[in-house]
Amino acid sequence: DAGITQSPRHKVTETGTPVTLRCHQTENHRYMYWYRQDPGHGLRLIHYSYGVKDTDKGEVSDGYSVSRSKTEDFLLTLESATSSQTSVYFCAISESGSGNTIYFGEGSWLTVV
Amino acid sequence: GENVEQHPSTLSVQEGDSAVIKCTYSDSASNYFPWYKQELGKGPQLIIDIRSNVGEKKDQRIAVTLNKTAKHFSLHITETQPEDSAVYFCAAGGSYIPTFGRGTSLIVHP
Repeated sequence: DAGITQSPRHKVTETGTPVTLRCHQTENHRYMYWYRQDPGHGLRLIHYSYGVKDTDKGEVSDGYSVSRSKTEDFLLTLESATSSQTSVYFCAISESGSGNTIYFGEGSWLTVV
Repeated sequence: GENVEQHPSTLSVQEGDSAVIKCTYSDSASNYFPWYKQELGKGPQLIIDIRSNVGEKKDQRIAVTLNKTAKHFSLHITETQPEDSAVYFCAAGGSYIPTFGRGTSLIVHP
């Protein structure tokens, strides 16, 4: 298995509170991604990073921000959580952004009440 | 951007039967087509991939075929087993980050 660790794995939070999900990799891969998975929508890209301090938006980036201060760590922040952000969040990594295998973490289950 | 359509959304088969999942894509520049299997409560895992310079690739009971002219590719699982029950995702990529299909829930009945 690819060396990807997500934390927390499960979290329940209240509407309006900030939430940060963490992703840590031991593969030294350049690219890191955050996806969300919802029934009927598959895997949707939230944000991705192509290097330290280099990030870009995916298709569902509204309400989310990210930071990457070290190669191995990629943080996803919900500044003010809403019920529509209840989802399963997957971190993923790849050596490059094109034509390379994307490896997924085990997921973080977030419930916003 | 790329658009990937995946069908069917649910597939139910008897153990030992074959299963076929089909995906279409829109960007003719796509040249990398991976397939992922996601078991309940886990992250997706790559099971097979194909690049545009080949038309078919096999790995034991699974195979993937690619038709670049028609812009579609398929996953074939033969002699299905209960442990094949999972959600399967296709994706299409190339010079950009792959776009994923919405997934197929495969149920294999013993």
